[in-house]
Formats: sequence, structure tokens, C-alpha cells
Amino acid sequence: DAGVIQSPRHEVTEMGQEVTLRCKPISGHNSLFWYRQTMMRGLELLIYFNNNVPIDDSGMPEDRFSAKMPNASFSTLKIQPSEPRDSAVYFCASRYRVGETQYFGPGTRLLVL
Amino acid sequence: GNSVTQMEGPVTLSEEAFLTINCTYTATGYPSLFWYVQYPGEGLQLLLKATKADDKGSNKGFEATYRKETTSFHLEKGSVQVSDSAVYFCALYNAGGTSYGKLTFGQGTILTVHP
Repeated sequence: DAGVIQSPRHEVTEMGQEVTLRCKPISGHNSLFWYRQTMMRGLELLIYFNNNVPIDDSGMPEDRFSAKMPNASFSTLKIQPSEPRDSAVYFCASRYRVGETQYFGPGTRLLVL
Repeated sequence: GNSVTQMEGPVTLSEEAFLTINCTYTATGYPSLFWYVQYPGEGLQLLLKATKADDKGSNKGFEATYRKETTSFHLEKGSVQVSDSAVYFCALYNAGGTSYGKLTFGQGTILTVHP
């Protein structure tokens, strides 16, 4: 299995631009998670989906962030407009079912100038 | 609610030294406990897990025992290698309440092993 796939791996953009991060979960997994990791705040859960439906988005920092999962094999996390404080590594993870291991992607390193 | 507390880092050891990274948790009921490892430039990957009290998880020479009486899940390795240098995260999953479906992570402990 190819594992969780994220793209792009690196993104550099200017403040105010729209940023879209993409994730392909492991085939057959029905839960998907978006995390953000920074030195200051550690690992934060932003949102998670179960069967393509958002279950908990309480970690989404503000309205500039949005996430979608149009089908079982694809999800996006969008930031519009981006700000320098959004600079972080964004991870996607997927899971076969509740209680089982989460599998993480390699992450997208975002730098907003 | 659920919480996980890891020992403060960073931890710096010489190769072949003994490693302990402390992890304690707060949760109701009977959570499952995990250790994840993050190597430089990579995502987190599961290192080991335990799903009930007194279970011992083990992998790659690492071990951790689920101690309900002390609410702990300390990670140990008898002889570390340079390749073990990474960030280690303790986590729990508790099916009850508002945490349903989510992992609760500790803050992570940076381990550096010198030759």
C-alpha cells in the first residue's frame, strides 16, 4: 500500500494568497484527520471526517480555514487568505475504524511570507 | 477530559545508553495507549500500543507497559542507537464522551542519541 499521500510536500506563498493542501487516505480507511504541527503549539487536531462527513471541526482556527472531503479517496484543506502565522507542517492521517491506529502522511511544510 | 503528559525534553543520550521517557495520562474508563515516533522530516508512525491494563507493547527494542494503578505508559529501551533520534509522542484513545474517535497526544519528547 502506498500509505497516506499528501501534496504538495512543500509550499511557499505570500501573505493573502490562497493555499490548498491535498490528501489521499489509505484505500479502505473511513476516517481522515487533518493536524497542524508547530514548535510553539505542538501537534493540533484541526478537523476529522468519518465516512466523508466532518465529525469535529472544533480545532479549525478560524473562518480562513476550510476542509472538504468530496469522496472517500480525497480531501483538501484550504486557507484563504493565508497569514504568516499559518506557517507550519500540516499532516493528514487516516484510519480504518474507530479505535484503531492512525496512519500519517509525510506532511506539507507551509511557509507564508 | 482526557490528557497526556510527557516528560520534558529534549533528552540527549550516548549510544547504548538506557532510555526512559515518562508518560502519564488522565482519562475515565479504559483508554488505549500508544507511542508514536516522528523521524526528522517525516510524519508520525505507530511505534507500539497497549489496549488494556498490564498489557506490554513492544517494537524495535522499545517497550511500554500499561499501568492503570499509576496511570502511566512509560517508554523504555535498553540500548539506544543513533538511528533512534526522533520525537516521541505518547497518545491515548478513549471511546467515551466528547473525545470519541480522536487521539489525545502529549507534547512530544525530542530524543537525540550521540555516537
